[in-house]
Amino acid sequence: DIQMTQSPSTLSASVGDRVTITCRASQSISDWLAWYQQKPGKAPKLLIFKASSLESGVPSRFSGSRSGIEFTLTITSLQPDDLATYYCQQYNSYPWTFGRGTKVEIK
Amino acid sequence: QVQLQQSGPGLVKPSQTLSLTCAISGDSVSANSVTWDWIRQSPSRGLEWLGRTGYTSRWFSDYAEPMRGRVNINSDTTNNQVSLQLSSVTPEDTAVYYCARKNGVFSFDIWGQGIMVTVSS
Repeated sequence: DIQMTQSPSTLSASVGDRVTITCRASQSISDWLAWYQQKPGKAPKLLIFKASSLESGVPSRFSGSRSGIEFTLTITSLQPDDLATYYCQQYNSYPWTFGRGTKVEIK
Repeated sequence: QVQLQQSGPGLVKPSQTLSLTCAISGDSVSANSVTWDWIRQSPSRGLEWLGRTGYTSRWFSDYAEPMRGRVNINSDTTNNQVSLQLSSVTPEDTAVYYCARKNGVFSFDIWGQGIMVTVSS
């Protein structure tokens, strides 16, 4: 199975800060990576697909990028509504696998 | 818009079978370009993909290796829904269970609301 290693596991930032979350795959997954946002008690919500494509309706402050097997989710200006846990997920090969999540806290 | 509405018991006894249903609105369970997947989430395992069903000229199902032999995912075209059955449950199967639509390049673009299932006597 492809392992997805996310870091950090928790981060605390202020409103307006630029926030970066990283996800590293254990092998090549091309661009087949998605990012999800999960708020407490809710289902995950798709933010980014195919590494860097923004899902319809998602604010443009969210962006994704890829360098080899390392993927990055960036929030350019953190907002109070961004308090959540963020997950990466590969869909290059079965079984689909997820990272362990990054909890974003607001200072 | 597409919505998934999950239903089923929140408590299952050890050794029994967990059964959940996911009713689909705004899309067809027989749609060619998507699959209907089940994913669970627990503090110990995180998000774990369990399996999927879909239709491309014929029905198919695939399951995660650790679940094979215990899990069954079926489609119901009459009621436009999919179901999950997990047999011989133990407390390790305690988790929030989600159904989700896997939509090609979009991956999991639609999720059900999730059902917390506790395995306990």
